[in-house]
Amino acid sequence: GEDVEQSLFLSVREGDSSVINCTYTDSSSTYLYWYKQEPGAGLQLLTYIFSNMDMKQDQRLTVLLNKKDKHLSLRIADTQTGDSAIYFCAEGWAGNTGKLIFGQGTTLQVKP
Amino acid sequence: NAGVTQTPKFQVLKTGQSMTLQCAQDMNHNSMYWYRQDPGMGLRLIYYSASEGTTDKGEVPNGYNVSRLNKREFSLRLESAAPSQTSVYFCASSETLGRGARDEQFFGPGTRLTVL
Repeated sequence: GEDVEQSLFLSVREGDSSVINCTYTDSSSTYLYWYKQEPGAGLQLLTYIFSNMDMKQDQRLTVLLNKKDKHLSLRIADTQTGDSAIYFCAEGWAGNTGKLIFGQGTTLQVKP
Repeated sequence: NAGVTQTPKFQVLKTGQSMTLQCAQDMNHNSMYWYRQDPGMGLRLIYYSASEGTTDKGEVPNGYNVSRLNKREFSLRLESAAPSQTSVYFCASSETLGRGARDEQFFGPGTRLTVL
């Protein structure tokens, strides 16, 4: 079955790098996503990676994908207090439903 | 464009009461979804609708019903609320082009439901 796992909490100091990790079980997924949820709000797409890629960089964000180990990570460089949020990884499949399977979410706390 | 809107924002129910959560999107999206979010559990899919006129069960459908009223609107009904249904409910929509296209889900702001 499909399952996505994340650690629940990460605390870093402002200016440090943050690395949020995710593992998934279904190797047939086509895209892997990172969503961000700020307090009291819905989720917003942060970035994504196609399953045949190893790495994607987008300004302060770097996504690494290890398909062999089914491991996804999100690195945030120069973490700011505004990055404090819950980060969800999700896997999706090319098809006609658009369904995603989400992990539990990692709460990132950024200390000044 | 308002995106995805949900009503109400907050609701308190007593055990056994019924209610309908409303969701609407103005992006002409094909697919719509209902999730619940509980601490440490992430988002769990309750029901989804891949196109107007179709609905399918997700991971946790028991105790819920849905209606895809038209392309814009997708409602979630609790017929007899239970304390275990205390949660934050999110509606989402996506374009769902299929054929290998990447599909971004857009989320509403959520409904915070407490069942006493």
